[in-house]
Amino acid sequence: AQTVTQSQPEMSVQEAETVTLSCTYDTSESDYYLFWYKQPPSRQMILVIRQEAYKQQNATENRFSVNFQKAAKSFSLKISDSQLGDAAMYFCAYRNRDRGSTLGRLYFGRGTQLTVWP
Amino acid sequence: DAGVTQSPTHLIKTRGQQVTLRCSPKSGHDTVSWYQQALGQGPQFIFQYYEEEERQRGNFPDRFSGHQFPNYSSELNVNALLLGDSALYLCASSFLGAGSGYTFGSGTRLTVV
Repeated sequence: AQTVTQSQPEMSVQEAETVTLSCTYDTSESDYYLFWYKQPPSRQMILVIRQEAYKQQNATENRFSVNFQKAAKSFSLKISDSQLGDAAMYFCAYRNRDRGSTLGRLYFGRGTQLTVWP
Repeated sequence: DAGVTQSPTHLIKTRGQQVTLRCSPKSGHDTVSWYQQALGQGPQFIFQYYEEEERQRGNFPDRFSGHQFPNYSSELNVNALLLGDSALYLCASSFLGAGSGYTFGSGTRLTVV
């Protein structure tokens, strides 16, 4: 079974600084997707960034970028120029490929609570 | 464009009772998945519905059941509630073949007393 591990329960960063959140996963599949989701106190899970395993190029979305190391099964999130609004719980998630009429399900880590100090 | 809508937002039930949670997927989405998020944990997959059928299921007992309607909306039913069922229940929608991330609702906070 796929597992996702986030070893940092809490992280903090000063506003405008850079922070990296770690994630490792375990799978026997070669083709899959990886995600970082943000969950603010409003509870809604918001997609931050997405990576397809077959793509060697690391995904970037504005201030958010990932370091995807497929052989090491590592998928870290870097947040540059941190803002107060970035404060939230961040979840790393793995999704296997769709098969027939079954959509790949998500496997989540336990989350990293990010605090941003002014 | 409406996102995923869940109702109710909060619910308090007594042990042994039954509960029904509702979800309307994002416009254009045809697949609905349900997740349980206990306090301080990541979401855990309950089951997924597509074309009104349960397509896959996580490690949850039969007390958890669901339904999908022709308009793609979905219900999650939990029978014989236990204290351990207290959690945030998240609904997520997508569409088959997208290979994209799911769109989540804001969840229903269920408290069992």
